[in-house]
Amino acid sequence: DIVMTQSPDSLAVSRGERATINCKSSQNLLATSNNKNCLAWYQHKPGQPPKLLIYWASTRESGVPDRFSGSGSGTDFTLTISSLQAEDVAVYYCQQYYSTPQTFGQGTKVEIK
Amino acid sequence: EVQLVESGGGLVQPGGSLRLSCAASGFTFSNFWMSWVRQAPGKGLEWVANIKPDGSQKYYVDSVKGRFTMSRDNAKNSLHLQMSSLRAEDTALYYCARMGNGWGYFDYWGQGALVTVSS
Repeated sequence: DIVMTQSPDSLAVSRGERATINCKSSQNLLATSNNKNCLAWYQHKPGQPPKLLIYWASTRESGVPDRFSGSGSGTDFTLTISSLQAEDVAVYYCQQYYSTPQTFGQGTKVEIK
Repeated sequence: EVQLVESGGGLVQPGGSLRLSCAASGFTFSNFWMSWVRQAPGKGLEWVANIKPDGSQKYYVDSVKGRFTMSRDNAKNSLHLQMSSLRAEDTALYYCARMGNGWGYFDYWGQGALVTVSS
């Protein structure tokens, strides 16, 4: 199974500042069929289902604010929130879909400092 | 509007069985892979199972193989998860989720159904 490791486990950022979450996979996630990385990011708030933010490592889902961006390739990926807002407080997960079982990182809790 | 609504959760004793259902609407259900993803209390997300659009292929996480069976009824736009030989570690909020465009990311999620396994 592919192991996904996120860092840090939690971070506190001032409103308007940048938040950066890292995700490392134990295997290369680049699909040779379409030359895209099989990596997604989700935002999960208490009492709500997870929400897809990013797929193919850097494609923003429709309706997601452009302050959210994804980058990286191969085994190292990053989710960046360029200007943290109060409504961005949540747990964020990366997930690989290169192979079954699809696996998630352990989650990163983002709070306002 | 895409909607996924789970039902069937509840309290069950260890070794017991439970059947979860998910009613889908707002999209052509028969065109999409579907999944179950769970979250144990205080833990992260864990993929549980996938099913192909026509139901001919199913995949399960190792911890539920032989105990859980996923099925679908495309005529009724419904998804099911039959869970048997339940264990305390199966206690979780179970989400029904749609896989986006045939790939393994989850673009729509239900609100979840809580399964508690306890004596």
